[in-house]
Formats: sequence, C-alpha cells, structure tokens
Amino acid sequence: SQQGEEDPQALSIQEGENATMNCSYKTSINNLQWYRQNSGRGLVHLILIRSNEREKHSGRLRVTLDTSKKSSSLLITASRAADTASYFCATDGEYGNKLVFGAGTILRVKS
Amino acid sequence: DTEVTQTPKHLVMGMTNKKSLKCEQHMGHRAMYWYKQKAKKPPELMFVYSYEKLSINESVPSRFSPECPNSSLLNLHLHALQPEDSALYLCASSKKQGLATEAFFGQGTRLTVV
Repeated sequence: SQQGEEDPQALSIQEGENATMNCSYKTSINNLQWYRQNSGRGLVHLILIRSNEREKHSGRLRVTLDTSKKSSSLLITASRAADTASYFCATDGEYGNKLVFGAGTILRVKS
Repeated sequence: DTEVTQTPKHLVMGMTNKKSLKCEQHMGHRAMYWYKQKAKKPPELMFVYSYEKLSINESVPSRFSPECPNSSLLNLHLHALQPEDSALYLCASSKKQGLATEAFFGQGTRLTVV
C-alpha cells in the first residue's frame, strides 16, 4: 500500500533552474527518504531525514520535513540534464518496519 | 562492495513455466526486500526478510514464493504466472529492518509473462 503522494506528477525545466518536488504521507513516521530512479532501473538513495529534523542538505539537494502537515519537499538546485529521472519519497510505514514509496515525480531537465 | 546484484536482467517466461529470480548482497545487511514495479508506478513491497526469516508478506499470491537461503542471498520462485505479473522486480537490502538507514537496490529483473 502506498503511503506517500507526490506533487507534481511530472516536471519539465531548463538546465540551471531549480526543481521542487513535494510529498505528502498519511501516517506518523520515524524517517522519510528520497530516492532517484533512472530509466526504470534500480533506485538510488539520495537523502534521509528523521522525524525530529526539519531540514537537511546534501550537495545540491535540500529536503524539508513538516510533520504537522505530514509533508516533505525535495529541492534540486542548479539542475543538470543528468538529473532527469523519477524521484520518489519513501516512509518507513505505520509500524516503522518497511519502506513504502510515494507515487513519484518524473523530472525532465532540458539542456 | 555496496552492490546488490540481481540475475537475470531480463526474463521471458510462459504461464506454465517455473523460474527463479536471484538477488545477492555482500554488505552484511540483515534485511532484504522484494518489490514489484509496473511502468510509471512506484515500487510496491512484496516481501521482507529479516535475519533470514520472512517478516512481511504483503498478501502476495502464492505463485510467488520467496526464499532466503542465507544472509547474502534472496530468491523469488515463480510458478504459473499471469501476463499481468509482467513487471520490473527489484531486490533491496538494508542494515536491518526498520530502515533507519538507506536501502540499496539492485538493477532489477524485467519479467515478461507470455
């Protein structure tokens, strides 16, 4: 069962622009993660944010978490064509014992 | 070695065939997962193994049978599948169940049932 919903479903931007993706979830969580998937192959972990954190940075990535609104956002700054991929948020489920993915955002960065 | 290796990469099977998907990791992870992913959809959890024991079965049909022979290997045995079972099957591992740390994914097996 999916827990997270993402917005937008698809995003197309020019190289150098920033991309923002949002994720909402339904139950309480211990942590939230973001993953990237290229061309329908394996997923790559990007960043993990714990429920007691509000913001986290990793290189060009910035993730925020608002547990009161049950939502998170992923910001990719200065996007590159290589950032073209699907991006998924994932939570650890109602009991914290599994990784449940949101619907995902398809990002296309045009060069 | 931070890889999860899945074989085969592609598999075409008939509805009466029996086949197996294999997954291997050598990171010492004690939790391993099978996911099913249809085109343009998120991965859906099928099974979770924790310390070689089946921990979660997400009401998966019995034509899918998981097996964890040891802490490094995870198999998914397939029998009498339907065309709608065609999908990308992903294996993942993490240090332990609960996922307070990241999960590592294999590249997947693209399964076509004819």
